[in-house]
Amino acid sequence: QVTLRESGPALVKPTQTLTLTCTFSGFSLTTREMCVSWIRQPPGKALEWLALIDWDDDKYYSTSLKTRLTISKDTSKNQVVLTVTNVDPVDTATYYCARIIGGSSGWPDYWGQGTLVTVSS
Amino acid sequence: SYELTQPPSVSVSPGQTASIPCSGDKLGDKYASWYQQKPGQSPVLVIYQDNKRPSGIPERFSGSNSGNTATLTISGTQAMDEADYYCQAWDSSTVVFGGGTKLTVL
Repeated sequence: QVTLRESGPALVKPTQTLTLTCTFSGFSLTTREMCVSWIRQPPGKALEWLALIDWDDDKYYSTSLKTRLTISKDTSKNQVVLTVTNVDPVDTATYYCARIIGGSSGWPDYWGQGTLVTVSS
Repeated sequence: SYELTQPPSVSVSPGQTASIPCSGDKLGDKYASWYQQKPGQSPVLVIYQDNKRPSGIPERFSGSNSGNTATLTISGTQAMDEADYYCQAWDSSTVVFGGGTKLTVL
């Protein structure tokens, strides 16, 4: 059974760095064509893709946010970590992690429950 | 950057067929996927690789993709299908989501 769970702070101050952890089970990120991605959704708005890391440790980032994002994995812990630097209130959103199957042209087939992050002073 | 465009809303009567389009430049040359999201819930994959249904997704959900438009079709729409729907594709090693369509079952 594939599960993913996001964890991190619920409240972050502007200019700080946000660190989110995705802990997953039911699959291995060392298996060919397996990936984990981060996607966010501001309240009442659409999904926005942020970053992806694949089984081969290749990393892909949103063009508009790549200077602020870093994604990494710890395969021994089955975790993927996303950092977002210099946060702003517009970064307030529910952050999801999702498994992507099919490599770098695949699709998110399992999603976590999401974690709401509020950026406010 | 690549964009996927969806209508903000679509309405359908119960039992009728709902069609939700998603347009993008040469989208037919890429694979499209579709996600259903109900209020307060995480997105659920309903169609992948243009027209494949994951296990557990009802047969009334189908997809197509040609030219510049991918379409999600829900046949015999039920009240439980009322939700937001998002299309998704890859372009230049980035994942792109459409802006979402709110399906209302009247």
